[in-house]
Amino acid sequence: DAGVTQTPRHEVAEKGQTIILKCEPVSGHNDLFWYRQTKIQGLELLSYFRSKSLMEDGGAFKDRFKAEMLNSSFSTLKIQPTEPKDSAVYLCASSLGGYTGQLYFGEGSKLTVL
Amino acid sequence: TQTVSQSDAHVTVFEGDSVELRCNYSYGGSIYLSWYIQHHGHGLQFLLKYYSGNPVVQGVNGFEAEFSKSDSSFHLRKASVHWSDSAVYFCAVSGGSNYNVLYFGSGTKLTVEP
Repeated sequence: DAGVTQTPRHEVAEKGQTIILKCEPVSGHNDLFWYRQTKIQGLELLSYFRSKSLMEDGGAFKDRFKAEMLNSSFSTLKIQPTEPKDSAVYLCASSLGGYTGQLYFGEGSKLTVL
Repeated sequence: TQTVSQSDAHVTVFEGDSVELRCNYSYGGSIYLSWYIQHHGHGLQFLLKYYSGNPVVQGVNGFEAEFSKSDSSFHLRKASVHWSDSAVYFCAVSGGSNYNVLYFGSGTKLTVEP
């Protein structure tokens, strides 16, 4: 089975632009997660979907961040408008659902906002 | 709210040494604990997990971890490290209603010197 696929791997944006990051979870997985990773804040949960329903939206990220699951095999994370502080690695992960304790992560999308 | 702390930001050992990476958690209810590894420029990969039963759990590549309720700890150990074990290690905790959402510690960077 293919793992979690994230595109693009690298994105450079000007302040104020809209960017969309994409994620394809492992086939058959029901849960999908978006995390943001920075050196200072570490790994922060942005959103969590269970069977395409949004279960958590990472409170602090509500205003400019929007994650969607268009179908069970595709998710997007939109940041609008971008700010330099959004520069980070955005990680997508999926799991079977229920408690397995095992998330499968993509390689990440590194965003740089100038 | 569940929290997890990793007190050592950096650990350096020599190849063939044993190593212990520390993780302490805080949560009043049923808790799920896991460890992940992240090589530079890549996503996180699952190592092992604990929920109940034998407090010593075995993972991939010779890693094991021991759960201690009295110490609120879940330390990761390896008897003999290899240079390829150099990476950042994250402890994660989950619990509560969204029990499959993982909250990560700040990570410990392990450097294995030849």
